[in-house]
Amino acid sequence: GAGVSQSPRYKVTKRGQDVALRCDPISGHVSLYWYRQALGQGPEFLTYFNYEAQQDKSGLPNDRFSAERPEGSISTLTIQRTEQRDSAMYRCASSWKPADRELFFGEGSRLTVL
Amino acid sequence: GESVGLHLPTLSVQEGDNSIINCAYSNSASDYFIWYKQESGKGPQFIIDIRSNMDKRQGQRVTVLLNKTVKHLSLQIAATQPGDSAVYFCAENMSGGSYIPTFGRGTSLIVHP
Repeated sequence: GAGVSQSPRYKVTKRGQDVALRCDPISGHVSLYWYRQALGQGPEFLTYFNYEAQQDKSGLPNDRFSAERPEGSISTLTIQRTEQRDSAMYRCASSWKPADRELFFGEGSRLTVL
Repeated sequence: GESVGLHLPTLSVQEGDNSIINCAYSNSASDYFIWYKQESGKGPQFIIDIRSNMDKRQGQRVTVLLNKTVKHLSLQIAATQPGDSAVYFCAENMSGGSYIPTFGRGTSLIVHP
């Protein structure tokens, strides 16, 4: 596609439910990043992939968070047993190659946990 | 704590004026420093970057200055336009095996017509 696509754009869920957020990067982009952004704050790193390999997951808050990119393209961020503190904007970004300084961000997925 | 931060959370300017957005960093090992612009309701958009061995880099209407002595980065926007109204983030990458852009809090630039 023309840009990074994320779905759903908005997700409202009840505490304790699992959610899956999807990211479809720009075609051909090797690297894919997941960030979380609170209102008025800069994006906070969660994890990133080069191709299908998860390179760093040091930003994932706890073991309820996981991510995968099985075929080196689309990625899914999964949050199990959601808690209210998980409510945030989750942003995906991709880049042409590893260590590329220009990241292309998607519109984000707004998660609200009731 | 954050290794990248901003001095001023909000900057208001008149259309046509020059804008200067500042950023402090603490990680001297970063190879690059990057500026992103985020318009309301959208994801951050890359503006310009500067390598750590440079002091200045110019783009279209923007100039980034890097002062490694005081660990300070600035973004200058010439002839600011209403379309420049957005939140601006500086980010740095970390040297070493992983390139992980790390963002600061951001400065909101408001341009008055």
